Amino acid sequence: AQTVTQSQPEMSVQEAETVTLSCTYDTSESDYYLFWYKQPPSRQMILVIRQEAYKQQNATENRFSVNFQKAAKSFSLKISDSQLGDAAMYFCASPLNAGNNRKLIWGLGTSLAVNP
Amino acid sequence: NAGVTQTPKFRILKIGQSMTLQCTQDMNHNYMYWYRQDPGMGLKLIYYSVGAGITDKGEVPNGYNVSRSTTEDFPLRLELAAPSQTSVYFCASESTKDSKAFFGQGTRLTVV
Repeated sequence: AQTVTQSQPEMSVQEAETVTLSCTYDTSESDYYLFWYKQPPSRQMILVIRQEAYKQQNATENRFSVNFQKAAKSFSLKISDSQLGDAAMYFCASPLNAGNNRKLIWGLGTSLAVNP
Repeated sequence: NAGVTQTPKFRILKIGQSMTLQCTQDMNHNYMYWYRQDPGMGLKLIYYSVGAGITDKGEVPNGYNVSRSTTEDFPLRLELAAPSQTSVYFCASESTKDSKAFFGQGTRLTVV
């Protein structure tokens, strides 16, 4: 069965510094996507960034970038120039496609605190 | 653009009561999901649907039912509420083009 593991339950970073959140996954799929979602205290789930597994280039969205290591099945999120508004729970997720069986597999999340 | 609309935002139920959580999306997505999120935990899949008229169980379906009569709507039914169903519930829809999931704002349900 496919799993997604986030090994850091909590992280903290100083404002304006850089932080990296780790995620590893296990899939037998050959073509898949990987996602990072953010959940602030408002509890809204917000898509941060998406990586297509068949692309070697790491995805980037403004201050957010990923370090995708396909062979190692690692998908870490780097937040540069951290801002107070980045404080949230961050979840890593990957879709599982198997015929008509389609669902997202989620990590348990990393709680990020941003210190002023 | 409304996206995914989920109602209600909060609800308190007594043990044994029933209720329906409503979810509608206006993005013409075929895939829709119901998740629950317990305190300090990630998301657990309750039910999902790959299109109108098609639903299937996720990881934690017991105590819940769903229907998908239209592409837009995917209500979640709790028949006999139990304290173990106290949680935050999220509805989501997903684009088949790029697998991006869009979430509703969540429903905080308390069963007392």
